[in-house]
Amino acid sequence: KAGVTQTPRYLIKTRGQQVTLSCSPISGHRSVSWYQQTPGQGLQFLFEYFSETQRNKGNFPGRFSGRQFSNSRSEMNVSTLELGDSALYLCASSLAPGLVRSSTDTQYFGPGTRLTVL
Amino acid sequence: AQKITQTQPGMFVQEKEAVTLDCTYDTSDQSYGLFWYKQPSSGEMIFLIYQGSYDEQNATEGRYSLNFQKARKSANLVISASQLGDSAMYFCAMREGRGSARQLTFGSGTQLTVLP
Repeated sequence: KAGVTQTPRYLIKTRGQQVTLSCSPISGHRSVSWYQQTPGQGLQFLFEYFSETQRNKGNFPGRFSGRQFSNSRSEMNVSTLELGDSALYLCASSLAPGLVRSSTDTQYFGPGTRLTVL
Repeated sequence: AQKITQTQPGMFVQEKEAVTLDCTYDTSDQSYGLFWYKQPSSGEMIFLIYQGSYDEQNATEGRYSLNFQKARKSANLVISASQLGDSAMYFCAMREGRGSARQLTFGSGTQLTVLP
């Protein structure tokens, strides 16, 4: 079974631009979460989608948005990029939300998209 | 207060020896899950092992085992017979059971270096 895929793997943008990152979950997984990883702040939760609905959102400004399609693929968008948005953006998929059980609760991560804002 | 605390920024271990990476957590939930992930320099987060708060036995997955001490709120990862390929950043994470939120809260990580 193929793992989580993320495209593109690397991006270089300039301040003020916008960017869209894509994530395809493991086949059969319906929940997708996004995380930002920076040296200073570590790993921080951005948002989680299930059945095309945002179920949870982290403490990020409105410039960060996302969506999920009917095939569970997800995109996140960052508008008006700032230098501080330079980070590794990780997508994770899991079977579905539910009780804390290992079979449905484990999130599997993709390789990430490394975004550099100049 | 930090929800996940990893007090060892860096650890060294000799090849073929065992190593323990520390993790303590803070939650008032009765139902929660604890995870360990490995992140090589390539960046991908690799799932290693899971422990549920109601699991009575410590989780094991091959060379990885989780030393779960619920009363002390600790979930230490033990890697037996270390290999050079184990050199990576290791993160402890928790998912609390309240509601349907599935976000993982991560610790700051431990950089493990396996010496030949």
